[in-house]
Amino acid sequence: SAVISQKPSRDICQRGTSLTIQCQVDSQVTMMFWYRQQPGQSLTLIATANQGSEATYESGFVIDKFPISRPNLTFSTLTVSNMSPEDSSIYLCSVELGAMAFFGQGTRLTVV
Amino acid sequence: AQSVTQLDSQVPVFEEAPVELRCNYSSSVSVYLFWYVQYPNQGLQLLLKYLSGSTLVKGINGFEAEFNKSQTSFHLRKPSVHISDTAEYFCAVSGVKAAGNKLTFGGGTRVLVKP
Repeated sequence: SAVISQKPSRDICQRGTSLTIQCQVDSQVTMMFWYRQQPGQSLTLIATANQGSEATYESGFVIDKFPISRPNLTFSTLTVSNMSPEDSSIYLCSVELGAMAFFGQGTRLTVV
Repeated sequence: AQSVTQLDSQVPVFEEAPVELRCNYSSSVSVYLFWYVQYPNQGLQLLLKYLSGSTLVKGINGFEAEFNKSQTSFHLRKPSVHISDTAEYFCAVSGVKAAGNKLTFGGGTRVLVKP
């Protein structure tokens, strides 16, 4: 299994600002995934982050809005840029080990 | 590409009664199947998974699911629910590959257990 730590666990931010979410894993993993869960909705994949290369974004998500860093095999960050109230969601980091996905506790973001 | 449909958005059930949460998927490739639970204000926890082998899969907290390839279904069941089972349940699939399987989630089923 994998233990995933996300920071911050929650934040309230002003519109127009940016927030960087950190994800730390206790083992080395090739790929890390970032998901968004909007209020009352299911999870939607934002992007897949490989170490040493640019992240791959899903349809509807762009690098300018959600830049991702992946400096090593145990760490990644997701930035939510130029936030608006529509960005209020839970953002979750995930890793895959042995064909199973493990999730962090999520970052609950509220944009006011 | 894969898609997942959870047929019930909400399921009210009385304590100690059985519950079944329905999940159907579509995929052009072989899949792995998962059920996750999300308790209020908490992250996702894996309930059970189907990777291969027996089509009846047992998970934590007394839950089980059956993979039916012909019906492309992976329904979740529990014979007797507790108040503590009140949560949101997500069915998810990923395509079978060597690594880097991203998950596609269903819309979720909110289970409310009543005393």
